[in-house]
Amino acid sequence: DTEVTQTPKHLVMGMTNKKSLKCEQHMGHRAMYWYKQKAKKPPELMFVYSYEKLSINESVPSRFSPECPNSSLLNLHLHALQPEDSALYLCASREIGQETQYFGPGTRLLVL
Amino acid sequence: DAKTTQPPSMDCAEGRAANLPCNHSTISGNEYVYWYRQIHSQGPQYIIHGLKNNETNEMASLIITEDRKSSTLILPHATLRDTAVYYCIVRRNRDDKIIFGKGTRLHILP
Repeated sequence: DTEVTQTPKHLVMGMTNKKSLKCEQHMGHRAMYWYKQKAKKPPELMFVYSYEKLSINESVPSRFSPECPNSSLLNLHLHALQPEDSALYLCASREIGQETQYFGPGTRLLVL
Repeated sequence: DAKTTQPPSMDCAEGRAANLPCNHSTISGNEYVYWYRQIHSQGPQYIIHGLKNNETNEMASLIITEDRKSSTLILPHATLRDTAVYYCIVRRNRDDKIIFGKGTRLHILP
C-alpha cells in the first residue's frame, strides 16, 4: 500500500472559521510534509515532520498550525485564513533513508 | 531557487518517445537529479532520479550528460495518460526539501 489519503477533498471556509485538514499514511513512513499549491504554480513546501517532530517550517504564517499526533497522521489546523490562502494543500510522506516522497491527492481549499 | 530550467510546454504524439530536457548548470557534486510529474488534479508522482549514470525503471529513462549540467527524461512510448506537468528537481540525497520549479507541461496528442 503506497497510499497517502487526505480529507476532506474540498473545503470552503470563511475568514473567521477554524478548520482542519487531515493526512494519513500506513506505510510506516516517519517523515511527513505539507505543501501549498496555487493554481498553475508548482507546489511549495510549508512544513516537514521527522519522527513526529517539526523539523522544517518554511516561514509559514501562524494562521497555519501543523500537528503530528502519531506516526501515521498529520493535521493542518487553519484559523483566520485570508482569501489568498485558497489553494491545493498537498500532504506527502517518505521513509527515512529512502528517496521517494509519496503525495496524497490534496485538499482543495477555498477561503471566502 | 529552483536551480533548473525547463521548457514551459511540449507536445508529443501518442506512441512516440517523449524527450523532456532540463538544464541544471549550477548542480553541485552531491546533488541528484529527480523527476516528478503531476497529472491534473492529482498529487505529484515520483518518476526517477540519478546522480551521474543513466538510469532506467519501468516508467522512464534518465540520461544525464557527462558534465551533469543537463539531463533528459525519456518516456519511451507515450500514452494519453502521460499528459502532465513534469518537474525536474536537483537536491542533495535524502535532503528533506524538494523545491519544485515551473516544470514542463507535456501534451500527448492522439
